[in-house]
Amino acid sequence: ETGVTQTPRHLVMGMTNKKSLKCEQHLGHNAMYWYKQSAKKPLELMFVYSLEERVENNSVPSRFSPECPNSSHLFLHLHTLQPEDSALYLCASSQVFTREGPETQYFGPGTRLLVL
Amino acid sequence: AQKITQTQPGMFVQEKEAVTLDCTYDTSDQSYGLFWYKQPSSGEMIFLIYQGSYDEQNATEGRYSLNFQKARKSANLVISASQLGDSAMYFCAMSSGGGADGLTFGKGTHLIIQP
Repeated sequence: ETGVTQTPRHLVMGMTNKKSLKCEQHLGHNAMYWYKQSAKKPLELMFVYSLEERVENNSVPSRFSPECPNSSHLFLHLHTLQPEDSALYLCASSQVFTREGPETQYFGPGTRLLVL
Repeated sequence: AQKITQTQPGMFVQEKEAVTLDCTYDTSDQSYGLFWYKQPSSGEMIFLIYQGSYDEQNATEGRYSLNFQKARKSANLVISASQLGDSAMYFCAMSSGGGADGLTFGKGTHLIIQP
């Protein structure tokens, strides 16, 4: 595997279900991100982890719970979601605090989530 | 707060023509980075090109170049000799100077290349 991978690629869940999205980066980066992409809206940053510590939470509802067990893996745990949470969820990683070039974020293919 | 504005919701361009995608930004940071990403219908965001706020020369990457006009706060993407495979959504994004910042994205431009 290379780059950033995400599983599952598609997910349909009911409002009472609990599911988890997984992201894995194979780039040796030290920061990981979750973004939400809804129709007709710009990408919204949800969570940032740097050196495995959460550094930003943009007022995301508690029904979304991130977990970063190590620098290569990132999870987004979902529970009691609402239909308006249906979106494309994108994971990204970057190398931060580096003097070698920009801190470019590289994205995975995303998980298309449908909440019924 | 940072803001990215992309004023072209959609564009149709003939194959082999050059195309310019507009991007203006607003920030109070002195140091920042500007990025362009391509998103095909498959969903993955593909990094295209980067411009740092202190870079004096416009960035180029193959057929992509970034027309950076700092005083006007614009960072337009130019694609030379467009190809059918260039059809996709294109997003302009910015970050602040460093550290683990999320990117601020524009709403995107849907580019369609016609044969």
